[in-house]
Amino acid sequence: NAGVTQTPKFQVLKTGQSMTLQCAQDMNHNSMYWYRQDPGMGLRLIYYSASEGTTDKGEVPNGYNVSRLNKREFSLRLESAAPSQTSVYFCASFGFWLGGNEQFFGPGTRLTVL
Amino acid sequence: TQLLEQSPQFLSIQEGENLTVYCNSSSVFSSLQWYRQEPGEGPVLLVTVVTGGEVKKLKRLTFQFGDARKDSSLHITAAQTGDTGLYLCAGPASYGKLTFGQGTILTVHP
Repeated sequence: NAGVTQTPKFQVLKTGQSMTLQCAQDMNHNSMYWYRQDPGMGLRLIYYSASEGTTDKGEVPNGYNVSRLNKREFSLRLESAAPSQTSVYFCASFGFWLGGNEQFFGPGTRLTVL
Repeated sequence: TQLLEQSPQFLSIQEGENLTVYCNSSSVFSSLQWYRQEPGEGPVLLVTVVTGGEVKKLKRLTFQFGDARKDSSLHITAAQTGDTGLYLCAGPASYGKLTFGQGTILTVHP
């Protein structure tokens, strides 16, 4: 039982390059999320998927696309990376645990765009 | 949009000291959660407070939910170096979404 896994852990891109961040969860959760974390700004929601087959924009969706490939996997794509997208990206899933609802986070992807 | 304001943003203390972190909003929340994040890792849930006025204790950590359910606090007694990390409060929105405060970076020096 690995929880939420993310790949890659680190990535350096040049402006204009594209890449896909992968996320998978093995907890059979319906809802999954992508956040970015920047200093002093907490976690901001990029996109979310309430269930398999659905995706919706969060607070900061511009420059990103997502795919909910199946119940387990939710990927985030940067089509043309920009320096403003330098950040730490977290994937999370939402489910019931020990008497309450909770988001479970992956270890993060540290992305630098030059 | 419901916003959560955390204070202070940075806290640097000596081992053994007490501290309090605050999480405030102008909106009412059905519950509030506190997460702790260590360097290089994702946030991990510490506690959920649900009832106005509720107090929950987790060893040396005491969490309180305001009577009006607009604010919460985290108090740490006799801080240890292992308490160092980023503390985030979060409030629920639809579809399991969370609204996060901007976080408090706590550094406990030996």
